[in-house]
Amino acid sequence: EIVLTQSPGTLSMSPGERATLSCRASQRISSSYLAWYQQKPGQAPRLLIYSTFSRATGIPDRFSGSGSGTDFSLIISTLEPEDFAVYYCQQYGNSPTFGQGTRLEIK
Amino acid sequence: QVQLVQSGAEVKKPGASVKVSCKASGYIFTKYYMHWMRQAPGQGPEWMGIINPSDGTTSYAQKLQGRVTMTRDTSTSTVYMEVSSLRFEDTAVYYCARGIVEVPAPISSVDYWGQGTLVTVSS
Repeated sequence: EIVLTQSPGTLSMSPGERATLSCRASQRISSSYLAWYQQKPGQAPRLLIYSTFSRATGIPDRFSGSGSGTDFSLIISTLEPEDFAVYYCQQYGNSPTFGQGTRLEIK
Repeated sequence: QVQLVQSGAEVKKPGASVKVSCKASGYIFTKYYMHWMRQAPGQGPEWMGIINPSDGTTSYAQKLQGRVTMTRDTSTSTVYMEVSSLRFEDTAVYYCARGIVEVPAPISSVDYWGQGTLVTVSS
């Protein structure tokens, strides 16, 4: 099983700042098979990024993804108040797994 | 618009079984895989398995092999997920979610999610 480790566990930032969230895989995965989701309390996760770089339908361009091999990142260029939530990475190349999440909180 | 509507919350005793339904609308049911995920309190999601609504073929997470069964009814555009021999650690919110690419493409990420079904295992 591929283990995904997200860091940091909690990120305290202010609106208007740039946020970088990390996801490290226990073994190499194809860039085609890495996604990012946002989850707010009481809601289902929402797809933000798939295939490492591609934004899902309706996702603002302040969200972007990068990375390759075992190291991947989600970047939020300018934080808006609605962006404070929990973020999960997921690999779906072989028996999909999720990371444990990064909580993005208002400083 | 795409909608996935799941059945209501369940409370079960250890050793029992639970069956959760997910009714799809707003797209051609047989064209997209359906995934099942679950999320225990305070944890990240866990992938449980996938079903091809076109032919009913399934693939399950190794951890749940032998305890989980996914089926579909094309006449009502509904998929079902059953977990048997329930344990306390099966307490979670269970989600169905649609794959973003059409069958027979390989496993993909998911775009549309159901509202979730809370399954509580308690004696």
